[in-house]
Formats: sequence, C-alpha cells, structure tokens
Amino acid sequence: NAGVTQTPKFRILKIGQSMTLQCTQDMNHNYMYWYRQDPGMGLKLIYYSVGAGITDKGEVPNGYNVSRSTTEDFPLRLELAAPSQTSVYFCASSFDPRSYEQYFGPGTRLTVT
Amino acid sequence: DAKTTQPNSMESNEEEPVHLPCNHSTISGTDYIHWYRQLPSQGPEYVIHGLTSNVNNRMASLAIAEDRKSSTLILHRATLRDAAVYYCILRDGTGANNLFFGTGTRLTVIP
Repeated sequence: NAGVTQTPKFRILKIGQSMTLQCTQDMNHNYMYWYRQDPGMGLKLIYYSVGAGITDKGEVPNGYNVSRSTTEDFPLRLELAAPSQTSVYFCASSFDPRSYEQYFGPGTRLTVT
Repeated sequence: DAKTTQPNSMESNEEEPVHLPCNHSTISGTDYIHWYRQLPSQGPEYVIHGLTSNVNNRMASLAIAEDRKSSTLILHRATLRDAAVYYCILRDGTGANNLFFGTGTRLTVIP
C-alpha cells in the first residue's frame, strides 16, 4: 500500500490565484482530514469527511473548499489565495475516528506571495 | 476538546530511557489519550494510545495515572531517529472528530 499520497510537494502561488491540493489514500478508509501547520505550531483541522459525499468544517475552514466524490480522494481547493494561507498542508485518513490512528501524508508546502 | 500541557523541549542521551510527560486535568471519561510524533519535514505518525490502562507497543509505552489527569510516554532506549516533536492529544471516543494538536515537546537526542 502507498498509504496517503499528496501532490504537489511544493507550490508557490501569487495572491488571488487558485489551486487544488490532491490527496489520495489506498487503505479504504472512510475518514479523511485536511490539516494545516504554520511554522513552529501544531496542526489545525481545516475540513474532514466521514465518507464519500459527506464533509464538514474543522477549526479553520475559511478560504478553503473540499469535496469527496470517492472513498479514495479528498481534494482541498484554495480560492483567491492569500499570504495567510502560506503553510504546510497535511492530509490524513483513518478507519475509525474514535480510537484508531490517523495516517498522514508527506505534506504540501505552499507559499503565497 | 480537552487540552493538554507538555514541556516545550526535552533532551536525552542516546540509548537512555526518555519519559515525556503530559498533563490533561480536564480529561473526560470518554477521551482517549493519543501520542503522535513528527520527525523533521514529515507528517505526524501515530505512536500509541490508551484509555485507562498502561499500554505497550513496539515503539513505546504509555503510562496513565490512576486519575487519568496525566500520562507519560516512555521511550525505552532513545535513538537519534527518535528526535522529533511529540504531541499528546485527547480524542473524544464518542464522535467523529479531529486530533487537536498543541505545540508538543521537541525531543533532542544527544549522541
């Protein structure tokens, strides 16, 4: 299994541009998550999904959108990028959210200038 | 979510045991205690979790106080590869919610 994969690894955006961060998992997990990590800080939840067609907001959802059309994929869309969205983005998945571990991808480092 | 308190940083000599403390005085009866670590430039990885009893796995041991208001992650023999930020996280066992990451403890392993 490849686990959780994310693309791209790095990206530089200009203010106002849009982009989609891709996340795919091959573990047949129902639960998927998007986090962002600012320098020197812990991770904060942006959005999560409990299954195909179901998404919900996390702690910091403003400026982002998600969709979940399949079990495997959970893309994160940034509309009108702002410098405050400069961060490292991690996607994660889990089988059961209550007691089992989350598996994280390698991250996407995004810079907005 | 109930919060946790951890020291900002700790040091350990290589091949010695490491005890990483975590306080969670507002823990509820349904909260699981999870530990994750994040190696430099990588995503977090699961280390261990528990509810009430002490737990052991191939990576570490988790000692949970009898009142559950604190816990300790124990690395039995620190290696250079264990240098990372360690996060102690409480997860509500009743809902489909996220991991709340604080700033964690940065562990430095001295050769």
